[in-house]
Amino acid sequence: DAGITQSPRYKITETGRQVTLMCHQTWSHSYMFWYRQDLGHGLRLIYYSAAADITDKGEVPDGYVVSRSKTENFPLTLESATRSQTSVYFCASRSTSRTGELFFGEGSRLTVL
Amino acid sequence: GQQVMQIPQYQHVQEGEDFTTYCNSSTTLSNIQWYKQRPGGHPVFLIQLVKSGEVKKQKRLTFQFGEAKKNSSLHITATQTTDVGTYFCAGPKETGGSYIPTFGRGTSLIVHP
Repeated sequence: DAGITQSPRYKITETGRQVTLMCHQTWSHSYMFWYRQDLGHGLRLIYYSAAADITDKGEVPDGYVVSRSKTENFPLTLESATRSQTSVYFCASRSTSRTGELFFGEGSRLTVL
Repeated sequence: GQQVMQIPQYQHVQEGEDFTTYCNSSTTLSNIQWYKQRPGGHPVFLIQLVKSGEVKKQKRLTFQFGEAKKNSSLHITATQTTDVGTYFCAGPKETGGSYIPTFGRGTSLIVHP
């Protein structure tokens, strides 16, 4: 029972490079979310998806791109990484319930040099 | 900006003392969720409150939802070192028919043995 998995768990990259963080869930949950966590800011929503091929911006979407061609996958791409994107990224999923609990992945720690 | 405000940001307690964190919203919430994140870990769902004035208990944890459904609190009785972590509240923000969890900035609990 893998649940929700993120990869890579740790990534160091350089400014200007493209980086993709992967998220995979095995529950067939409709909703998937990407949050970033920074000290003092809590969890801020980057993008979310209500179903395959449906994505929408969250609170801090600039510099990020997402896609959802399959229900189980929700990759997050930083097209040209900046130092301000150094953060811990969490993927989460939720069932069809509009208000159900979120299940989080273990996180991806990204450092941009 | 954040839909829900959470205070305090940090709380140091001696083991055995009580702890409370508060969550406040300027708008009425349809529900509120609480999550716990251990150091180095990912957020884990604790509970969801839906009804006005609702009180729920989980062992030493007591969760309350205000009568006006604009505030909530989490109280831990007789803290233990295992309670260390960051506690987040999350209120739903309705966007295009979807309810998107918006997190407070969290309260980090430090328990001194």
